[in-house]
Amino acid sequence: TQLLEQSPQFLSIQEGENLTVYCNSSSVFSSLQWYRQEPGEGPVLLVTVVTGGEVKKLKRLTFQFGDARKDSSLHITAAQPGDTGLYLCAGARGSNYKLTFGKGTLLTVNP
Amino acid sequence: GAGVSQSPSNKVTEKGKDVELRCDPISGHTALYWYRQSLGQGLEFLIYFQGNSAPDKSGLPSDRFSAERTGGSVSTLTIQRTQQEDSAVYLCASSLVGTNNSPLHFGNGTRLTVT
Repeated sequence: TQLLEQSPQFLSIQEGENLTVYCNSSSVFSSLQWYRQEPGEGPVLLVTVVTGGEVKKLKRLTFQFGDARKDSSLHITAAQPGDTGLYLCAGARGSNYKLTFGKGTLLTVNP
Repeated sequence: GAGVSQSPSNKVTEKGKDVELRCDPISGHTALYWYRQSLGQGLEFLIYFQGNSAPDKSGLPSDRFSAERTGGSVSTLTIQRTQQEDSAVYLCASSLVGTNNSPLHFGNGTRLTVT
């Protein structure tokens, strides 16, 4: 059972375009994390959201946690080739150390 | 500063052989995790260490998989009698403490190919 569904699975866009990727679940999470993974490397944490409805901005990236804490979105404005990578969301329950990861969205930004 | 280091970066082995994968966490991090990433799949939790103890081994796929951590630092994941379905990237991560408020720092993984 995949508890965290990410969509789309693949996304290829041109430099300068905007995009949104989604992370959805039927389960409630106490917090949700977004990671970016580049080929041959491990995932790198971008942000953690913990409060329902919370919005966090990281330069051109905007992260939102759903009011019910079951879903999240990542919006990138004016995408650049350096944004290319696999975007993973991961949810946690309570203070539990164990994260549940989605399968990821593979983003390609073409120059 | 030094991040999480994993070795080897690539390992090709024949079916039936044993392999050992090593993880050097960030100094001072008490929590250590092993995950497996297969093509088209998300990260699959394998095992969690707090210090040298492994309170959660629930993700280990079979009794061919084992892991240990010594000195609260280096960890080794051992796969015995490897099978082709064991082929994947094995990722190690460490965090300061074992709660979800403590960010995970991942190594670059070991890509295991079983032929």
